[in-house]
Amino acid sequence: DSGVTQTPKHLITATGQRVTLRCSPRSGDLSVYWYQQSLDQGLQFLIQYYNGEERAKGNILERFSAQQFPDLHSELNLSSLELGDSALYFCASSVGTSGVESTGELFFGEGSRLTVL
Amino acid sequence: AQKITQTQPGMFVQEKEAVTLDCTYDTSDPSYGLFWYKQPSSGEMIFLIYQGSYDQQNATEGRYSLNFQKARKSANLVISASQLGDSAMYFCAMREGPPNDKIIFGKGTRLHILP
Repeated sequence: DSGVTQTPKHLITATGQRVTLRCSPRSGDLSVYWYQQSLDQGLQFLIQYYNGEERAKGNILERFSAQQFPDLHSELNLSSLELGDSALYFCASSVGTSGVESTGELFFGEGSRLTVL
Repeated sequence: AQKITQTQPGMFVQEKEAVTLDCTYDTSDPSYGLFWYKQPSSGEMIFLIYQGSYDQQNATEGRYSLNFQKARKSANLVISASQLGDSAMYFCAMREGPPNDKIIFGKGTRLHILP
């Protein structure tokens, strides 16, 4: 158990709909990352938050948005869903800024599998 | 720009043999970290090993070792005495130094261990 909790584990919805994926990081971790993994593909970096602030942005579509709340949990909102958005969405957390004390290793949740029909 | 390349989409290796999974990276940041993760068919991401750019020695964790060649910008994962349970997808990843802590992943290598 990585200590990172993602909900829901599975989600089936229709094109054009909107969904929210939720992530609770490991206790004490300030940084949250979101990744998208399409079928048999690598992990595409979407966005990173650190202590409530957006830290880095990747190839995140304008239809997608995210935020990190004061209690450090994070939500990824996906709207106007298309068939191609079907994927496994991972949340990962880390201690925070890398440094001598920490490798900044990512701890992954089990993922939320989104199917858009 | 930050980039990770894994050139082996798939590999087949006989059980008990050693296997090397290739990873090359590109960054202009003098401070960075390199990771390897394993993703079994069940889907979870399992951290294997870490190498910091300033580490003098190659990282080792049990049967895993990282062959770090800084000048060549390569960070190959070596698995000694492979086991059937090593069959999985393997991802190389890189994090540049602060304040940019973005961690990007390569496309992965699917490793099949043959009995």
